[in-house]
Formats: sequence, C-alpha cells, structure tokens
Amino acid sequence: ILNVEQSPQSLHVQEGDSTNFTCSFPSSNFYALHWYRWETAKSPEALFVMTLNGDEKKKGRISATLNTKEGYSYLYIKGSQPEDSATYLCAFESGGYQKVTFGTGTKLQVIP
Amino acid sequence: SQTIHQWPATLVQPVGSPLSLECTVEGTSNPNLYWYRQAAGRGLQLLFYSVGIGQISSEVPQNLSASRPQDRQFILSSKKLLLSDSGFYLCAWSEGLAASTDTQYFGPGTRLTVL
Repeated sequence: ILNVEQSPQSLHVQEGDSTNFTCSFPSSNFYALHWYRWETAKSPEALFVMTLNGDEKKKGRISATLNTKEGYSYLYIKGSQPEDSATYLCAFESGGYQKVTFGTGTKLQVIP
Repeated sequence: SQTIHQWPATLVQPVGSPLSLECTVEGTSNPNLYWYRQAAGRGLQLLFYSVGIGQISSEVPQNLSASRPQDRQFILSSKKLLLSDSGFYLCAWSEGLAASTDTQYFGPGTRLTVL
C-alpha cells in the first residue's frame, strides 16, 4: 500500500489570503503526480499533472510545484476567493502500469 | 467530447439487500474504468479497475463485485449490503495506454446509505 499524505487535513483562510498545502508521496518508482479539485456536490476535476522533478504548473491563481527526489508537491493559491473552497486531492502515479493512489485531501474553506 | 454517467444519484437500501450501480462512458473507446468509494471522513479508496471488457482487478477484499459487460459500461454490485458499505461511490475513466499519464475523469457519483 503506497503512502500518499496530504497536509493540512483542512484549513480556513480569509478571502484575499494566499495559501498552500502539501502532498507527500514515495520518492521511488515515481511516474506522475496529479492534483484534483473536488467541490461540494460535484465530481473531482483534474487540475494539473506533473511528471518531471522541478515541474511547475499554473492555472490562473493556482500553481503547483514538484520535487520527486524528496517526494513532495505543493499547491499554492494566490488571493483565495470563496469559489476556491473545495477539497484538493493529490494522486501519485507509480511506474509500471500507471497505478494511481489518491491522498486523503485538504479541505479548503475561504471565508468571505 | 467524452461524458460519463452514473446512476442512481442517491440510494437508500436496507442491510442485506442487493446493490447494482451503473456507470457508462461516451465519446471514447477502450477506456480504463474505475470504481472508488469515499466513506464518511475518509479519502478516495479504489475498489476496482478495469482495462478491458471482462477484465476486473480488485483492490480490497469486500463483499462488492464489479463487471464490465461492454467496453464503456462498468457495474458495481453486491449480493448483500452491509452497513459499512455506506458511502459516496464514484466511477471514473481514463484513456489508459492511449495517454502518457493516467488522468482520471469522474462521474457525478452515487450516495449510498445502508440502513
């Protein structure tokens, strides 16, 4: 069983604040790291996929970085807005046969 | 474009009753298909995945089973539900070997309550 951990489990931030959270994953047999956003009453939606050490991806105010050597990825949200409220999931894809393991998620609540 | 459907959206079933959840995908061929469950306060747990018709891999021992009778149809079943089967069930698809990474696309989910 692969250990994919996310921290914090939940957080509340004020509208306009910037925030970040962490995904930790095994540093061996790495293939790709995915980030998903899961809004209440909706399905998880893919945000980013990163495959190379040092990768950085950006979509609007949200960005992510990847360190495969030490086994972590950060997700950053700049100037949080209430619509950013969601659970953010990371998923570690191991080599071999594209086996994906999801973390337990970070639940973000942005307070207006 | 590809779409994924799941039904029913919600279900309340008594303990010991059977279960059948259905998932269909449109707009793609030979997808990988997945069943996940999110129990209350927990993360996404992979239950089954399938890389082709009739090919099912089970990730955890349980009283659930899955079948893939057609290329784009994935069914989750149980003969006798347990209280612990309550949760939110998500079906997902990916392009499998046709893609370089396994980005998954999720259906709307089924909220199952076993009483």
